[in-house]
Amino acid sequence: GQSLEQPSEVTAVEGAIVQINCTYQTSGFYGLSWYQQHDGGAPTFLSYNALDGLEETGRFSSFLSRSDSYGYLLLQELQMKDSASYFCASRDSNYQLIWGAGTKLIIKP
Amino acid sequence: DVKVTQSSRYLVKRTGEKVFLECVQDMDHENMFWYRQDPGLGLRLIYFSYDVKMKEKGDIPEGYSVSREKKERFSLILESASTNQTSMYLCASSIRDSSSYEQYFGPGTRLTVT
Repeated sequence: GQSLEQPSEVTAVEGAIVQINCTYQTSGFYGLSWYQQHDGGAPTFLSYNALDGLEETGRFSSFLSRSDSYGYLLLQELQMKDSASYFCASRDSNYQLIWGAGTKLIIKP
Repeated sequence: DVKVTQSSRYLVKRTGEKVFLECVQDMDHENMFWYRQDPGLGLRLIYFSYDVKMKEKGDIPEGYSVSREKKERFSLILESASTNQTSMYLCASSIRDSSSYEQYFGPGTRLTVT
């Protein structure tokens, strides 16, 4: 089976940097995705890591270490609009996504 | 842009009613999914379909059924609604290849069963 663990809540200050961690246990690994979901909205895709290392997309970066079964999402120059829930997800061999429970990011001014 | 639409944003039904939730995508995606989302539990997969008339059970299929008669449309059916099915229901679609890590979601249907 597969499972992904992430913190339930993270708090940070506007303008700062925050890291949201995700550890996974999978029988087969096909990469790690990150999604953002604002309250009342639908999840939207942010980034994907198939290989070890850092992927950067503007203020957001995602990192993967397959040897450690670990990844993280890094958000820089935090803005109030980044307040949302963030989910890590891993694809399985049947093209489904297995989801973490989500991390609520609270940003204080 | 990929567009996934769901038939209702909000729905209120009575216990025992049969409920239909419709989802349509316009990008010719092979895969379609139904999730429910409850606070603190993340997204839980109810059913998915990788082709017309094909369906696979997800993690929590009990009390639900699905129908996929056309590629673009995937329906979720609650045969006899119960209060514990009050939830946010999200439909998603994806292509069926190595890029399937990216799912596209509809806006969701918030269902209340009274």
